[in-house]
Amino acid sequence: EAQVTQNPRYLITVTGKKLTVTCSQNMNHEYMSWYRQDPGLGLRQIYYSMNVEVTDKGDVPEGYKVSRKEKRNFPLILESPSPNQTSLYFCASSSGLAAANTGELFFGEGSRLTVL
Amino acid sequence: DQQVKQNSPSLSVQEGRISILNCDYTNSMFDYFLWYKKYPAEGPTFLISISSIKDKNEDGRFTVFLNKSAKHLSLHIVPSQPGDSAVYFCAGATGANNLFFGTGTRLTVIP
Repeated sequence: EAQVTQNPRYLITVTGKKLTVTCSQNMNHEYMSWYRQDPGLGLRQIYYSMNVEVTDKGDVPEGYKVSRKEKRNFPLILESPSPNQTSLYFCASSSGLAAANTGELFFGEGSRLTVL
Repeated sequence: DQQVKQNSPSLSVQEGRISILNCDYTNSMFDYFLWYKKYPAEGPTFLISISSIKDKNEDGRFTVFLNKSAKHLSLHIVPSQPGDSAVYFCAGATGANNLFFGTGTRLTVIP
């Protein structure tokens, strides 16, 4: 089954404690990205990757890091989480052609993060 | 600055009737417009899209209309079914790395 898998789905942590949210896709997609969803703000892009070892900032990259060492994985790293990073996070992927043209994305189920 | 706006946070419709979800945008460079549907505890799923060079795209019960002069698009669902109850996001795109989402409209279809 084609899917984007995120872990953990739910996490409560404390300010400053480094955490990583993993994302893996099994569709051999070149393009992967991370979004956060906040009330009244919709989905905002954090980082994206056009292919292995190619990453770039989205609209709200501050406080986040990413890496793309393998095609299937795109982890989101919060080096020193703060309460304003409490949010619902989505990983998404797309084939190269769709990524270049239509913007159609396949989303994971989301990771709800709470930073106390 | 919100490039894509969904001004109605919620909409309730009787089963069998038409649901119309609206979306306005400010960026005239968008090549595609997309609608995503989101159920609770799930990620958004792609529903339907339209190229900026078209004014209508239809897929079964779902039709998207684009009015470029008004910078407005709408999603029509006919007939509405209880399983359509979800949050609907519209988005404008110049490729996947330039995809801007609206804030969503929660549709409730009443049986």
